[in-house]
Amino acid sequence: QAVLTQPPSVSAAPGQKVTISCSGSSFNIGDNYVSWYQRLPGTAPRLLIYDNGKRPSGIPDRFSASKSGTSATLGIVGLQTGDEGDYYCGTWDSSLNTLVFGGGTKLTVL
Amino acid sequence: QLQLQESGPGLVKPSETLSLTCTVSGGSISRSTLYWAWIRQSPGKGLEWIATIDYSGRTYYHPSLESRVTISVDTSKNEFSLRLRSVTAADTAAYYCARSPGTDLAPKDYFDHWGQGTLVSVSS
Repeated sequence: QAVLTQPPSVSAAPGQKVTISCSGSSFNIGDNYVSWYQRLPGTAPRLLIYDNGKRPSGIPDRFSASKSGTSATLGIVGLQTGDEGDYYCGTWDSSLNTLVFGGGTKLTVL
Repeated sequence: QLQLQESGPGLVKPSETLSLTCTVSGGSISRSTLYWAWIRQSPGKGLEWIATIDYSGRTYYHPSLESRVTISVDTSKNEFSLRLRSVTAADTAAYYCARSPGTDLAPKDYFDHWGQGTLVSVSS
């Protein structure tokens, strides 16, 4: 059971927008920065977002994220078939004293 | 371009020790503001951080794994390693090595470069 809760799957059509939620508590999301990762089939995980909403160089602005209270949200606009894969949120948990992740969300671009 | 590559046995017997190495290329492991980590993903489960180390050997461990895990670094080979003792079937997972940026004091809580991962099965 992952500490952070994500929906198991989301789907949308090409060109559309999708959001992926990540729910936690005051000990993790509520108190620390959130990061987001993308893992496409057969590839290494890639950092999409760090510090709640910052994008590393090379990550297109189609990807955005925000945090409010004990929840965070990843948004992807202009969906492409190449975006199909698994998405994970992560943060530090001040109670468990460890990094924690969500269980992952499988994105399907119909 | 920075690359991380995991290596090690794909099959380990129960009660034995899992040993993996991550070779870093395209950049030096010996920067004070860089940290090196192991993360795993068991089948059907989410990601689990295992441990982090810096070039000087300063370590950070997941509390529930700390008693069985050792992470080490070899700056002369530009690589770092993981040893997980007394493995069980629950340790079957894809193991990833990754990099965290940070400060001289501590790593940041995210990973900006990852290896492809290596699947380790625990079975007799």
